[in-house]
Amino acid sequence: EIVLTQSPATLSLSPGERATLSCRASQSVSRYLVWYQQKPGQAPRLLIYDVSNRATGIPARFSGSGSGTDFTLTISSLEPEDFAVYYCQQRSNWPPITFGQGTRLEIK
Amino acid sequence: EVQLVESGGGLVQPGGSLRLSCAPSGFTFSSYWMSWVRQAPGKGLEWVATIKQDGSERFYVDSVKGRFTISRDNAKSSLYLQMNSLRAEDTAVYYCARDGSRSNSPTDYWGQGTLVTVSS
Repeated sequence: EIVLTQSPATLSLSPGERATLSCRASQSVSRYLVWYQQKPGQAPRLLIYDVSNRATGIPARFSGSGSGTDFTLTISSLEPEDFAVYYCQQRSNWPPITFGQGTRLEIK
Repeated sequence: EVQLVESGGGLVQPGGSLRLSCAPSGFTFSSYWMSWVRQAPGKGLEWVATIKQDGSERFYVDSVKGRFTISRDNAKSSLYLQMNSLRAEDTAVYYCARDGSRSNSPTDYWGQGTLVTVSS
């Protein structure tokens, strides 16, 4: 089973700042690394797939990078609506499909 | 517009059964892998099960193997999750999710979820 470890658990930033979220895999996931955003009471929303491809309708301030076992989600300039929980997910070597434990991005 | 609407959740006693349903619309259901993902109260996301387009391949997280069965009816455009021998730790919101046309495709759409509570 591939374990995904996200850091930090909580990130406190202000609107306009840059956010950098990390996801580390216990073994290579090739390019099958995905990022989701989830707001309270809502279903997750696909942000980034295949490491760096933005999903339809996702603003350009969201970007993904990385390779092998280390991946990053960057939000270049935080908007108020970006404060949420972010999950990474791998679908490289499955089953099982695994998620990271999440990073909570909160307003400072 | 892609929509996924879950139903069938509710309160059930430990050891009981429930059948969740998902009604997709806005896309050709038979062309997509489909999954169920759950989220326990205040916790993260956990993959539960995935089924191939024609139902010929099904995969489960270890904790539900032998208890849960994912199925689909392409003629009725419906996805199901039969849950037997339910335990307290199965309490969660269960999301129906659309994957892509390949086994490695990401989940790109999610329903709003249906709450399953296992308690006496």
